[in-house]
Amino acid sequence: VIWMTQSPSLLSASTGDRVTISCRMSQGISSYLAWYQQKPGKAPELLIYAASTLQSGVPSRFSGSGSGTDFTLTISCLQSEDFATYYCQQYYSFPWTFGQGTKVEIK
Amino acid sequence: QVQLVESGGGLVKPGGSLRLSCAASGFTFSDYYMSWIRQAPGKGLEWVSYISSSGSTIYYADSVKGRFTISRDNAKNSLYLQMNSLRAEDTAVYYCARGGVDVPFDYWGQGTLVTVSS
Repeated sequence: VIWMTQSPSLLSASTGDRVTISCRMSQGISSYLAWYQQKPGKAPELLIYAASTLQSGVPSRFSGSGSGTDFTLTISCLQSEDFATYYCQQYYSFPWTFGQGTKVEIK
Repeated sequence: QVQLVESGGGLVKPGGSLRLSCAASGFTFSDYYMSWIRQAPGKGLEWVSYISSSGSTIYYADSVKGRFTISRDNAKNSLYLQMNSLRAEDTAVYYCARGGVDVPFDYWGQGTLVTVSS
């Protein structure tokens, strides 16, 4: 099983801030990493796949980087609609696993 | 547009059974891998089960192996999850999602709540 450490678990920020979320793997996964956004009461939505490829329709203020064991999600200029919980997920090997989540809240 | 609509959730007693369904539309269902993912109240996401496009390859999380059965009917554009011997810890919102081996989960349904309680 590939274990994932996502940090921080809670991030307080203001509109306009640049924020970064980290995801570290217990073993290398090449670039088989996705990032999801989930708002309360809603299903998760895919933001980024292959570590850095933006899903169609996702604003360009979202970006992903990394490969191997260390990955980052960056939101360059936080908007009000970005306050949500974010999850990383590896799809390199079964069983597919998710990070614990990062809640981005209004400061 | 791609749509996934789950149904079949509800309240069930420990040891009971439930069958979830997921109706797919807006894409060629038979071409895609499908999975079930769940989320316990206030908790994170847990992948539960996967089925290949033809149904020939199936995987389960250890937490449900031997109790849950995934299946699909490509003629009906539908995905299923038969859940037996349910436990309190199976209480969660269950999502069907498109994706699995080597691909992310790019579309999700709205989820269906399963509550296991006496």
